[in-house]
Amino acid sequence: EDKVVQSPLSLVVHEGDTVTLNCSYEVTNFRSLLWYKQEKKAPTFLFMLTSSGIEKKSGRLSSILDKKELFSILNITATQTGDSAVYLCAVSSSNTGKLIFGQGTTLQVKP
Amino acid sequence: SQTIHQWPATLVQPVGSPLSLECTVEGTSNPNLYWYRQAAGRGLQLLFYSVGIGQISSEVPQNLSASRPQDRQFILSSKKLLLSDSGFYLCAGGGGGASYNEQFFGPGTRLTVL
Repeated sequence: EDKVVQSPLSLVVHEGDTVTLNCSYEVTNFRSLLWYKQEKKAPTFLFMLTSSGIEKKSGRLSSILDKKELFSILNITATQTGDSAVYLCAVSSSNTGKLIFGQGTTLQVKP
Repeated sequence: SQTIHQWPATLVQPVGSPLSLECTVEGTSNPNLYWYRQAAGRGLQLLFYSVGIGQISSEVPQNLSASRPQDRQFILSSKKLLLSDSGFYLCAGGGGGASYNEQFFGPGTRLTVL
């Protein structure tokens, strides 16, 4: 059965800290891995990764995929209180584009 | 880029009542469309997806059904709601066909069944 597992499930840090969120997966016919940020409403798209070893970066956020070891990490440097959210990892595994989501990591950044 | 519209934003319904949630898409044609449900503190569970008009695939057995009467319209329905149908319902759209395109989400409907 296809599955996506995120760790840790929750994390509390202070402003300025750097955090690393993990996502491992076991899926057939892997196509892409996506990261989303969810703040009490609908998830907003962060990154889509399809190739190993190529870092995607957006401001203080970056992500990389390892297709050999079947995992991805999402890094957030110099965290701010506005980074507090649930971070969702999802994997697309078929031609239909349907996504399999992990449980999410709840990040709380304290001032 | 795609825009996904959903309504209503919140809904409180009694057990046994019917349900109809509507999702429409702007900015693309022939999208793949998806309905997800998110229970409190949980990840997203895919309920239905559609790759075209009239084509619906169900991911989990449940009390709900979906329809796609038009290319950019996706409807989630129930004839009789159960308490367990409460949750946050999200509609998403993605590139049609064999596409790597990311999925975009609508604003969601928070359904409470009492």
